[in-house]
Amino acid sequence: KQEVTQIPAALSVPEGENLVLNCSFTDSAIYNLQWFRQDPGKGLTSLLLIQSSQREQTSGRLNASLDKSSGRSTLYIAASQPGDSATYLCAGGESYNQGGKLIFGQGTELSVKP
Amino acid sequence: DTGVSQNPRHKITKRGQNVTFRCDPISEHNRLYWYRQTLGQGPEFLTYFQNEAQLEKSRLLSDRFSAERPKGSFSTLEIQRTEQGDSAMYLCASSHRDEVEAFFGQGTRLTVV
Repeated sequence: KQEVTQIPAALSVPEGENLVLNCSFTDSAIYNLQWFRQDPGKGLTSLLLIQSSQREQTSGRLNASLDKSSGRSTLYIAASQPGDSATYLCAGGESYNQGGKLIFGQGTELSVKP
Repeated sequence: DTGVSQNPRHKITKRGQNVTFRCDPISEHNRLYWYRQTLGQGPEFLTYFQNEAQLEKSRLLSDRFSAERPKGSFSTLEIQRTEQGDSAMYLCASSHRDEVEAFFGQGTRLTVV
């Protein structure tokens, strides 16, 4: 059974710092991996999707990588800003036919201090 | 179309009452998913529709829960005889048949008192 773990559970950094959020999964048969942002009491906003044949994706100050052999994904945030404060969730999908059926980690709560 | 829409955003109900939530997916998306998220946890998969067919249900979806998607458009999730343990955020997501990326709504926060 696939399990997804995110480390650390919480992170507090000063503004401007570069940071890395980690996600690990137990079954390398993961098909795709998606990173989300969640603000308190809100839904999920998709940040980056790494599809089966890809190893990384970039969007602005965000870069996500996926290494299936080691069962790890990382989300790199460059030059962090207070507006980046939120919970970041990684989620793995196990097949193309069930694209939106995802297994989530517990999230990393990020606080960026001005 | 502005994305996945969920209503209501918040619902407070007394234990034992029935509640129903609605999800309107992105218009061209034929796949629709329901998730439940409790405080401090990641979302957990509940059920999945492809068009109007309910293809998978998690063991988390007890007999008190029922989901429908008539005509393959909007979906409803009903909880009968609510319990305090049902208090959670209920999230809906949709995806296109040819893509794996899931898009989530803002969720419905249920509080059972």
